[in-house]
Amino acid sequence: AIRMTQSPSSFSASTGDRVTITCRASQGISNYLAWYQQKPGKAPNLLIYGASTLQSGVPSRFSGSGSGTVFTLTISYLQSEDFATYYCQHYYTYPFTFGPGTKVVIK
Amino acid sequence: EVQLVESGGGLVQPGRSLRLSCAASGFTFDEYAMHWVRQAPGKGLEWVSGISGNSGSIGYADSVKGRFTISRDSAKNLLHLQMNNLSAEDTALYFCTKERYCTSSRCPFDYWGQGARVTVSS
Repeated sequence: AIRMTQSPSSFSASTGDRVTITCRASQGISNYLAWYQQKPGKAPNLLIYGASTLQSGVPSRFSGSGSGTVFTLTISYLQSEDFATYYCQHYYTYPFTFGPGTKVVIK
Repeated sequence: EVQLVESGGGLVQPGRSLRLSCAASGFTFDEYAMHWVRQAPGKGLEWVSGISGNSGSIGYADSVKGRFTISRDSAKNLLHLQMNNLSAEDTALYFCTKERYCTSSRCPFDYWGQGARVTVSS
């Protein structure tokens, strides 16, 4: 199975900060990579798919890049509603797997 | 409006079975692959199983292979997850999810239910 890792596992930031989260796959997955945001007690929300395509309705301050084994999620100007946990997921082949998550907390 | 509503969760003893269901509405059920994703208390997301629109392609996480069976009923717009030989490690909130439309054979998940809680304990 393809293993996904994320870094950092958590960090603190302030509103207005530019934030970057990295996701790595244990083998090449082309661009079959999605990013989700999850807030406590809620189901995850799809942000990015195809490594860099913004899901409809997601603010443009979110962006994704990468291909192969290394991917990044960037939030260009952190807003209060962005404090949450972020997961990457590959959907290259079964079994799909999620990264362990990155928790963004208020500094 | 797309809706996914899970049912069938509860408290079950180790070694016993449970069947989860997900009622889907607001989209053409047969046209989309569906998946189950779980989240243990305080932990991250774990993909459990997926099934294509025509049930021709099915996949399982290694942690549940041989114990869980995914299926779908197109006549009733239902997704099921039969879980056998449950253990404490299966305790989690189980989400039903729908693949979004995309041009590739595999796609990410654009709609999620609110989850069904499964607790495995004696």
